[in-house]
Order: sequence, then C-alpha cells, then structure tokens
Amino acid sequence: DTGVSQDPRHKITKRGQNVTFRCDPISEHNRLYWYRQTLGQGPEFLTYFQNEAQLEKSRLLSDRFSAERPKGSFSTLEIQRTEQGDSAMYLCASSLDGRTLNYGYTFGSGTRLTVV
Amino acid sequence: AQSVTQLDSQVPVFEEAPVELRCNYSSSVSVYLFWYVQYPNQGLQLLLKYLSGSTLVESINGFEAEFNKSQTSFHLRKPSVHISDTAEYFCAVSRTSGTYKYIFGTGTRLKVLA
Repeated sequence: DTGVSQDPRHKITKRGQNVTFRCDPISEHNRLYWYRQTLGQGPEFLTYFQNEAQLEKSRLLSDRFSAERPKGSFSTLEIQRTEQGDSAMYLCASSLDGRTLNYGYTFGSGTRLTVV
Repeated sequence: AQSVTQLDSQVPVFEEAPVELRCNYSSSVSVYLFWYVQYPNQGLQLLLKYLSGSTLVESINGFEAEFNKSQTSFHLRKPSVHISDTAEYFCAVSRTSGTYKYIFGTGTRLKVLA
C-alpha cells in the first residue's frame, strides 16, 4: 500500500470556476477526513466519512463545498464558484477506528489550490 | 470542545543542541494526543502519539513527548537536533470516541542552525 494519494498536487483556477479534488485512502481504512490548511495555520477540519456515510461537516464547509465517498473507497471534494479565500492546501487523511492501537491519521501530500 | 495552544511560532536552535516544543491543550473529556511534522510542500507525517499507557512516548528518530494530565501538556523534546529536523511541527488532540476529528495547534516552525 502506497499510503494516501491526492490528485492533483497543485491546481490554479480562475475565480468563479469549479474544481474537484480526489483522495484515495489506505484501502483498509474505513475513516476518511478532509482538512484545509492556510498559510501559517494548522489544518482545520472540514468533513468526515465513515465508509460511504458523511457523518460530520464543519461550519467552514459552505454550500459551495460538497464531498462524496461513493462505495466507501476514494473521496472527492468539489468547490463550486471558487473565491480567492478558498486558496489553501486541502489535505485528506484516513485512519482505522479510533479504538485500535494503530489509530492515527495518515495524511496525503495535499492539493494546493490557488484561486486567481 | 477541545483546543490546542502552541505558544512558540518559531524556535531557532543550533545543531546538536536540545529542543523543546511546547503544546498545551484544553478539553473537558479524555483525549488522544499527537505530534505531526510537516516538511515544505508536503503533507503531515505522524511523529508520535499518546493513546493510553505510559505517559512518555518516543519516536524512531529521537523525539519524545510526555503526557502531563495535571498540566494539560504534551511537550515535544529532542536531546540533540540535526539540520534535517528543520520543519513545522503540529500538536493535535482528538476525542477518544465519536468522529475522532483532530483539533490542531497553529504549529511551531523549528529551524536548526549550523
């Protein structure tokens, strides 16, 4: 297993355009998380999936954001009508159940979004 | 709700000197504690974690952290740093049940000087 993969690594888009990011978690991990990291800050929670069910969404996730995890495997994060304030690193992480000794997130390398 | 405070935004230190990166947390429920390291333009890598058991946890590259429940701290230490330790370090907490979402601190940039 090669870890958590995110695609693309970088995305430059014009304001108002839609973008979609993909995350492929570690195959045996049933939990998947999206975080957003802006310059000089720690990552902030956006949303969480357990298998295919989206169980929690942050208030940071406006109506322009939507995330899916069909079939409990890969996940996509879509941002519609992008704004300059959406410029950030979008991080995906996956993990086993928190009750296991091996619990701990494995992060992908992130997708850096620049809205111009 | 949980919160994490990393008071030091930047810590410069000379190579082979010891270092301590401070992390304090606030929570009304039990938490798990983590330290992650982030190299430029990369994602976060797990450095070490406290889930239960011994309050002193160690990483394979010489870092250690001690969970202090009374002081609500989880400071990261290394007795002798290398140039390659230059990176940003994030402390995080999660609840021990539910979504297990992380709350991160704002990070400490460790710069090791030759």
